[in-house]
This record gives sequence, structure tokens and C-alpha cells, in this order.
Amino acid sequence: AQSVTQPDIHITVSEGASLELRCNYSYGATPYLFWYVQSPGQGLQLLLKYFSGDTLVQGIKGFEAEFKRSQSSFNLRKPSVHWSDAAEYFCAVASSGTYKYIFGTGTRLKVLA
Amino acid sequence: DAGVIQSPRHEVTEMGQEVTLRCKPISGHDYLFWYRQTMMRGLELLIYFNNNVPIDDSGMPEDRFSAKMPNASFSTLKIQPSEPRDSAVYFCASSYRGSYNEQFFGPGTRLTVL
Repeated sequence: AQSVTQPDIHITVSEGASLELRCNYSYGATPYLFWYVQSPGQGLQLLLKYFSGDTLVQGIKGFEAEFKRSQSSFNLRKPSVHWSDAAEYFCAVASSGTYKYIFGTGTRLKVLA
Repeated sequence: DAGVIQSPRHEVTEMGQEVTLRCKPISGHDYLFWYRQTMMRGLELLIYFNNNVPIDDSGMPEDRFSAKMPNASFSTLKIQPSEPRDSAVYFCASSYRGSYNEQFFGPGTRLTVL
């Protein structure tokens, strides 16, 4: 069965520091992978997605993620965090040809001034 | 583009009352999803439609929940009767074939059942 694990429930970083949010998935074939961000009281906004090709994908707001098949991981990174990045981040997986997401439990990011 | 529109944004009701949540997907999108978000269970897919037809309703918690999509531009999620444990944020999302499964989310409806 497909599954997504985000091992970190909460992460706190200082503004300007680098960030890496972890995501591991379980899926037999190459999945479609996504990172979404949810600001307080808001819906989910897509940061980036991977479905094939270059394993390093660039997204909005300066985020990037790297697909590593050998580790079944799709970690999200940002070199320098801004206070406005404080939010909850969700990793999701979908199988090709279906439109059904499996979401991780989310990682809540806190940014210290 | 207006994005996915949900109404109401907030709903407070009493236990036993009927609640109807509404969603207007992005024009041209042929998939529509209803999710529920709670602290305890995170984001759960309740049901999704393709071309107005329900494809997978395995996430609908019980018979008190029902969803319809009478046309391509409107869907409802109804809870009757509502219970306090239904309190959550309900999201609608839409997608289209060719978007590589990307889903576009609405702002959500925060439901409180007293």
C-alpha cells in the first residue's frame, strides 16, 4: 500500500538558516510527488512537484526538492528561510493515472527572528 | 482565474442539524475532491468525482455524509445529522487531466458542531 511519512512533526529554525524537511514514501512504481504549503487559516498551495526527468525540482518561493529513488525520499529544501515561510508543509504521493493523493501528516515550521 | 471557491467559509451549527458545504471548481477541471482536516487525523480524502461521477467514496466516514456533483461547476457535501466529532476544516480541490495530478485547493470551510 502507498504511504507517506514525514518524520518531523515540528521544526524550528532561525531566519536566514537553511531548511530541510523530510519526506519518505512507499510505492512500487515511480510516483508523482508533491509538496504543498498551508499558511494558518488558508488552503493548500503547491510548492513543487515531481513526475519524471531531472530529480532536482525547483518550486516557488525559493524551494527545491530532490527525488532519490534509492532512499524513497523527496526532501524539501530552502537555503535561507524567511519569517514568512512559517507554515505547515505537506508531502503527498499519487500514482500515475490516478488522481488520488496520499498525504503525509505534515511538518509545522516555526521561524525565529 | 478565481480559483476553487468554497462557501461558507465558517459554519457553526448545533448537533443534529443538517449542514451543506458548497464548492465551485476551477472552470475546465474535470476532477473534484473533498477532504477533511483535523488535528487528530490530518488530511483525509472523503470522496472524489471525475466528470461529475463519484469515483471513490471509500473515505466517507458514514451514511450521515453524502456528496453530489450535479454539474461541472458545482458540488455539495452534506452532513445530516451533524455531530460534534464532525467539527473540522473541509477542503475542496479540483484538477484536470494533463495537470500531472496537481490539485488546486480552495480556502476551506471551518465547521463547528456544538
